[in-house]
Amino acid sequence: AQSVTQPDIHITVSEGASLELRCNYSYGATPYLFWYVQSPGQGLQLLLKYFSGDTLVQGIKGFEAEFKRSQSSFNLRKPSVHWSDAAEYFCAVGANSGGYQKVTFGTGTKLQVIP
Amino acid sequence: DAGITQSPRHKVTETGTPVTLRCHQTENHRYMYWYRQDPGHGLRLIHYSYGVKDTDKGEVSDGYSVSRSKTEDFLLTLESATSSQTSVYFCAIRKGQGEGETQYFGPGTRLLVL
Repeated sequence: AQSVTQPDIHITVSEGASLELRCNYSYGATPYLFWYVQSPGQGLQLLLKYFSGDTLVQGIKGFEAEFKRSQSSFNLRKPSVHWSDAAEYFCAVGANSGGYQKVTFGTGTKLQVIP
Repeated sequence: DAGITQSPRHKVTETGTPVTLRCHQTENHRYMYWYRQDPGHGLRLIHYSYGVKDTDKGEVSDGYSVSRSKTEDFLLTLESATSSQTSVYFCAIRKGQGEGETQYFGPGTRLLVL
């Protein structure tokens, strides 16, 4: 069975500082990996995804993530955080299971941005 | 924008009453999903559908039923609401196939069961 761990429940960074959100997954084969962002009271918006190929994936809003198979990780990064990045971030792993895509979500990391 | 709407967006109900949440999509996608979101649990799959009248259970399906009589609508019913079903409910559709398949989410329905 697949699983996702986001070890940081809450992170606080200063505006303009760099950001890295950690995600570790467990899955027997090559996974599909996703990062979603959720602003308060909103639905989940896809930031980026990895399926195969280049292990460094670029997403929207200046985010990127790197797939490291040896570490079973898919960490999300941004070089300079903006106040509008304050939100909750979810890592997810997907796999085809009997014809449908089973997606397992982490428990989320809440990002606070301070001036 | 994935063309997904959910109704109602907010609902307060009493224990023991039936509740139906609606998910509507405009892009004719085959796969649709219902999740619930609770603090500390992330999102958990309740039910999913792979076509009209074709549905199956997810990991937290007890107390819920679904129906899909049209491609565009996927209904989630709480047969007899309990306080443990207080949650935020998200509908999702699947776009793409194979390596490209990705789930996109609606805005959510916040349900409070008193």
